[in-house]
Amino acid sequence: GESVGLHLPTLSVQEGDNSIINCAYSNSASDYFIWYKQESGKGPQFIIDIRSNMDKRQGQRVTVLLNKTVKHLSLQIAATQPGDSAVYFCAASNNAGNMLTFGGGTRLMVKP
Amino acid sequence: GEEVAQTPKHLVRGEGQKAKLYCAPIKGHSYVFWYQQVLKNEFKFLISFQNENVFDETGMPKERFSAKCLPNSPCSLEIQATKLEDSAVYFCASSQESTVSGYTFGSGTRLTVV
Repeated sequence: GESVGLHLPTLSVQEGDNSIINCAYSNSASDYFIWYKQESGKGPQFIIDIRSNMDKRQGQRVTVLLNKTVKHLSLQIAATQPGDSAVYFCAASNNAGNMLTFGGGTRLMVKP
Repeated sequence: GEEVAQTPKHLVRGEGQKAKLYCAPIKGHSYVFWYQQVLKNEFKFLISFQNENVFDETGMPKERFSAKCLPNSPCSLEIQATKLEDSAVYFCASSQESTVSGYTFGSGTRLTVV
């Protein structure tokens, strides 16, 4: 079955530094991955996605890296800001693409 | 509207009572998905709808949980005879497509069973 997990439950970084949040998945048939940001009292907010035919995708201040060989993806946030403080989840889609399997979140804390 | 509206925001029920949660998808979105998040941790898929038809119910507990999406009404998730372990935040997402790439999540309903 599919399981998605994160390596670190809490990550504390200094404002302005880069942040890296990691995620491992188990199902090699997963072909679509999403990173979500969840702030307190809110639903998951889409950050960036990547398909399995890519190994890197960049957005504004965020980059997702996918290593299919070791079934690992990461989220890199450049110049982390206090507004980036939240819980981040990675999620993978099943083959039909209509359901997400989420990993446990990583709480990112940004120190001023 | 442009957001997925979930009501109520908070719901407290005594063990054994019924709980009913509502979700109004974004206008024009045909697909609705329900997820359960326990202890601010992992999300568990429950059920999805294409309009008023069940699309995928592989995550729905066999007993006590039911869901509907009726025309011109918010979708609903109902839990009969709630148990302590049903305490969670229930999120609804809607999408124009069946695939996950178009998901927009609501803010969730926090259900507390006491």
